Amino acid sequence: KAGVTQTPRYLIKTRGQQVTLSCSPISGHRSVSWYQQTPGQGLQFLFEYFSETQRNKGNFPGRFSGRQFSNSRSEMNVSTLELGDSALYLCASSSGLGSDYGYTFGSGTRLTVV
Amino acid sequence: AQSVAQPEDQVNVAEGNPLTVKCTYSVSGNPYLFWYVQYPNRGLQFLLKYITGDNLVKGSYGFEAEFNKSQTSFHLKKPSALVSDSALYFCAVSSGYSSASKIIFGSGTRLSIRP
Repeated sequence: KAGVTQTPRYLIKTRGQQVTLSCSPISGHRSVSWYQQTPGQGLQFLFEYFSETQRNKGNFPGRFSGRQFSNSRSEMNVSTLELGDSALYLCASSSGLGSDYGYTFGSGTRLTVV
Repeated sequence: AQSVAQPEDQVNVAEGNPLTVKCTYSVSGNPYLFWYVQYPNRGLQFLLKYITGDNLVKGSYGFEAEFNKSQTSFHLKKPSALVSDSALYFCAVSSGYSSASKIIFGSGTRLSIRP
């Protein structure tokens, strides 16, 4: 079956712009989590959605937002982009809430802010 | 607070030799432990997990990991390394059954296998 699909794979944006990233989970998976990966900070948790509801949010400013649709697809939006937002954004899906389910990650969207 | 440490930024091994990637953790309660691998420009791929049961866990691509409660370690091992094993490896831990927000990832260890 198809894996986790993230689009686009690469993005270049200018400071001050906004961006929307998309994640399609594995069919049947209802949980979607987002992470930011940078060389300096490693993997940092952004949000977790389950059944269209945000269940948890990491320590990121309000410029970072997300949502999940009824088909479990999720989008992440970053407004007023800053240079420090340049990172690989990873989405992970799971069949349920809880770490024992295991997570399948997408290939990520590499965002570069110039 | 829970934490996970990967003390080596890089591990270099000759092809055919055994490899070990180290991971230590600190959690309150029973740990759930995971190993993931990341190839260039790709997301993380799940290798194996320990939740309960046998301390030796076998995973994908011939990897295994040993849970050692007394040393709070969960080292990743493989008896014979392949060049294709070269990648970035992440250890992760959560305190028992937790949501994604409670899973802590290590800083990663770059594994380099030389032919």
